[in-house]
Formats: sequence, C-alpha cells, structure tokens
Amino acid sequence: DIQMTQSPSSVSASVGDRVTITCRASQGISSWLAWYQQKPGKAPKLLIYAASSLQSGVPSRFSGSGSGTDFTLTISSLQPEDFATYYCQQANSFPVTFGGGTKVEIK
Amino acid sequence: QVQLVQSGAEVKKPGASVKVSCKASGYTFTGYYMHWVRQAPGQGLEWMGRINPNSGGTNYAQKFQGRVTMTRDTSISTAYMELSRLRSDDTAVYYCASLSNPANYWGQGTLVTVSS
Repeated sequence: DIQMTQSPSSVSASVGDRVTITCRASQGISSWLAWYQQKPGKAPKLLIYAASSLQSGVPSRFSGSGSGTDFTLTISSLQPEDFATYYCQQANSFPVTFGGGTKVEIK
Repeated sequence: QVQLVQSGAEVKKPGASVKVSCKASGYTFTGYYMHWVRQAPGQGLEWMGRINPNSGGTNYAQKFQGRVTMTRDTSISTAYMELSRLRSDDTAVYYCASLSNPANYWGQGTLVTVSS
C-alpha cells in the first residue's frame, strides 16, 4: 500500500496568514493526488485534484503543487472559514489511501 | 443537483452485521464508481472499497476482505455496503462517495455504533 504522510499534524495560524501543508507519498504517484477540507460533523469537500487543479467553486486562495512523491497545499491568505482539517488522498493505485490529516487552528 | 443520501444511524451489537444504503440522484448512477470511506471518532479517513455500479464489480481493501460486501440496485440508483462480524473498533461514520474527480460527491455519512 502507498503510505501518505502529512505534515504538520496541526498548525496554529491567524487570519491573513499563509499556510502550507505538505504530503509525501511512500512511492511515486505521478499527479494522482487530491486535497480535501473537512469541518466537524461534515463530509470532506474536494479542494484540489490532479495535484494542482482547483475544484469548481473553491476560492483561488487555495492552490496545490507537486508531482511524484512530494506535494503541497497552500492557503495564501487564511480566512475564518478555512479553520478545518485537511487531508491528502492518492488515487494512483489501490487501495486508495489518505494522509493522516492536518488540523488548522486559530492562533 | 447531485445528491448522495445515506440511510440513518445504526446501533449494533458485536458480531452483528450492518447494511448502509446510499441513494444517488442528479447524475447517471452507472457513470461513476461508488466508494465507501469510513472515519472512526476523532480519526482520519479510511478507504474500504468501491463498486462499479454498471457491472457490479468490486475492489475491497485487504483489511476488510471477507467482512465487507458492496452491492447496488441500478433500478433505484442505490448502492449498499454491508459489514459483518462487527467489532467495537468498527464504530465510525461511513461515507459513500464518487471520488471521480472532478465529479467528487459525498453522502452525509452514517454513524454506526457497535456496543454491547
């Protein structure tokens, strides 16, 4: 199975801050990576797919980059509604696997 | 608009089985695989498997092989996930999801509680 390692596991930030979350795959997954945002009691919401493609309706302050084994999700200017947990997910091969999550908390 | 509507919360005893349904609307049900993902309380996301609604073919995570069965009824655009021999660590929210980016849709989740 491909292991997805996210870091950090949590980050404290203020409104307006730039936040970067990384995800490392245990083997190459080309660009088969997605990023999700999840708020308490809600289903995950797709933000980025194919490593860098912004899902329709997602604000442009979210961006993704990377290929192969190393990927990044960047929130350019954190907004109050962005405080949530973020997950990466690989779809290069079965089983589909997710990173452990990064909780973005209010500083 | 696309909706995946799941069945309601369940409470089961250890050793029992649970069957969760996921009714799709707003798109062609046979057009996308249906995946099942679970999330234990306070934990991350865990993929369980998927079903091809067109053929009925399935792929299961090894962890669940022998305990999980995914089926579908195309006449009512509904997918099902049955998990047997339940244990306390199967307590989780179970989601159905299309995961066919960008056609990435999720159900609202079904809480399954396993308790004696």
